[in-house]
Amino acid sequence: EAGVTQSPTHLIKTRGQQATLRCSPISGHTSVYWYQQALGLGLQFLLWYDEGEERNRGNFPPRFSGRQFPNYSSELNVNALELEDSALYLCASSLRGKDEQYFGPGTRLTVT
Amino acid sequence: AQKITQTQPGMFVQEKEAVTLDCTYDTSDQSYGLFWYKQPSSGEMIFLIYQGSYDEQNATEGRYSLNFQKARKSANLVISASQLGDSAMYFCAMRAGRVSGGYNKLIFGAGTRLAVHP
Repeated sequence: EAGVTQSPTHLIKTRGQQATLRCSPISGHTSVYWYQQALGLGLQFLLWYDEGEERNRGNFPPRFSGRQFPNYSSELNVNALELEDSALYLCASSLRGKDEQYFGPGTRLTVT
Repeated sequence: AQKITQTQPGMFVQEKEAVTLDCTYDTSDQSYGLFWYKQPSSGEMIFLIYQGSYDEQNATEGRYSLNFQKARKSANLVISASQLGDSAMYFCAMRAGRVSGGYNKLIFGAGTRLAVHP
């Protein structure tokens, strides 16, 4: 069974640009979660999507947004990139009603 | 406030020995879940073990077991028979409950870096 996949593996952008990160959940999983792992800040919850809707949001500005598609894959968009957005962005998925979240390999975003 | 505390920034263990990684948590929810993840240098978060707050038995998964002490709000990870491949960062996490409004998000501790020596 394929795990959670994320693309791209690495992304380099300049300040002010927009970044789009993609995630495909494990087959059968309907919930997708996004987390940011920035140096010195640890892992922080960003967004939770289920059945195409945003269900919960972490303490991040509105320039962090996303969506979930009918096939349950998801996209995270970060607008007006700032240097401090440089981080590893991890996507996770779970079955509806289940606690266990399984993570993908992450996208490392570097903002210069 | 919900919080996960891992007080050991780094741990060393000899190959084939057992090691315990500490985790304490704070929550006002009655229903919550506790997780341990392993993060090798590649960056991927690997799910190890899960304990629900209402589970009476400690969770076990192969060489991993979770020592759940609800009254003390602790959820320590025990790795038996350590292997060189166990060297990684280990994160304790909590799935917050609905009452707190944190439904389904995971709150992570700062992590413990485990080094297994031959």
